[in-house]
Amino acid sequence: QVQLVESGGGLVKPGGSLRLSCAASGFTLSEYYMSWIRQAPGKGLEWISYISSASTTIHYADSVRGRFTVSRDNTKNSLYLQMNILRAEDTAVYYCARDLYGTFDSWGQGTLVTVSS
Amino acid sequence: QSVLTQPPSASGTPGQRVTISCSGSSSNIGSNTVNWYQQLPGTAPKLLIYSHNQRPSGVPDRFSGSQSGTSASLAISGLQSEDEADYYCGAWDDSLNGPVFGGGTKLTVL
Repeated sequence: QVQLVESGGGLVKPGGSLRLSCAASGFTLSEYYMSWIRQAPGKGLEWISYISSASTTIHYADSVRGRFTVSRDNTKNSLYLQMNILRAEDTAVYYCARDLYGTFDSWGQGTLVTVSS
Repeated sequence: QSVLTQPPSASGTPGQRVTISCSGSSSNIGSNTVNWYQQLPGTAPKLLIYSHNQRPSGVPDRFSGSQSGTSASLAISGLQSEDEADYYCGAWDDSLNGPVFGGGTKLTVL
């Protein structure tokens, strides 16, 4: 069955960096777009980035553009999110999700990122 | 401020039918299909409805979706206690060139 497992979350100071990973199994990662979606504590869902199957198309939400970088390694069945210049408002649970042109049919369990001094 | 608008809360008693609305604009719901996600307490969201009114395997037919103009709604019939969750609508937005979500509706089963 499809499984997505995020890792790499933790506590980081404002201005710091963090790299999240998402390990995919149960399907052929190279055939799918993938997205990162976050959820601040007690808040709703916010899509932040998608990457096409061959990494040729990448798009970011305005809130993270220029600070976050999404990438993937299909040979390792992995998706990544490099987060730089982190702010307190980036504190959230970060989910990776399989993306069928804006329909997210499988989600990971999420990894918590806390930005605080 | 979410691009799609949902009521923050909804409630019903077991067996009742409840609906949750989702309002958008011509650039999202007005031109693209709406998806619904269910988030049980402490868990990741799960796709509940896609492409107007399609249900992934395993989702009971008590859940149904509809869409008209720039609005959509999720209906849950035969409400059960395990339906208590947060529900989010989502759609592609042509102006933003990305997916957008509603703010979520917390459903309470009384």
